[in-house]
Amino acid sequence: ETGVTQSPTHLIKTRGQQVTLRCSSQSGHNTVSWYQQALGQGPQFIFQYYREEENGRGNFPPRFSGLQFPNYSSELNVNALELDDSALYLCASSHKRGGTNIQYFGAGTRLSVL
Amino acid sequence: AQSVSQHNHHVILSEAASLELGCNYSYGGTVNLFWYVQYPGQHLQLLLKYFSGDPLVKGIKGFEAEFIKSKFSFNLRKPSVQWSDTAEYFCAVNAKATDSWGKLQFGAGTQVVVTP
Repeated sequence: ETGVTQSPTHLIKTRGQQVTLRCSSQSGHNTVSWYQQALGQGPQFIFQYYREEENGRGNFPPRFSGLQFPNYSSELNVNALELDDSALYLCASSHKRGGTNIQYFGAGTRLSVL
Repeated sequence: AQSVSQHNHHVILSEAASLELGCNYSYGGTVNLFWYVQYPGQHLQLLLKYFSGDPLVKGIKGFEAEFIKSKFSFNLRKPSVQWSDTAEYFCAVNAKATDSWGKLQFGAGTQVVVTP
């Protein structure tokens, strides 16, 4: 166990809907990163939050947005869902300190868009 | 474009056989390198990492990896696999000059199946 928890574990939505995924980071960690893992592929970096601010973003459109809260938990929001958004969404937490950037992953949320 | 390549998508081998998984990346400059493993139904777990120093790094469960800077490679090895090593293995890179802190770029993964 990494201490990183994600909810829900599974979600089914239809095209055009909006979805919110949640992540609780490991105790003592101040940074949360989100990744999308499509079937048969490696995780793709969506964005990262550090001290409640976005701190780096991958090649994802603006309809992917996020928040980080004072307790360092985080949300990933996806608007106007498309079929290609079907994937496993992973949250990873870490502590930004001294250049080490070991990411600890949660079990993920499996999103299916119909 | 910057990329991380894993040479094999699927590997099948017998228990006690040796395992080597290839990983190449296309970034110049300083990199942090990682191997993660995902056992069936479980979350991604860190196997080992390289930040600096000795290019031969040892990880958990008897795995090791060698960083060869001139070849832009970070290959994973295990001398003798067990059935419990059946999993998907991911190589990941953080290119310090161009990636934001903590951003990992992953390879497509290698599915390893160990038969009894």
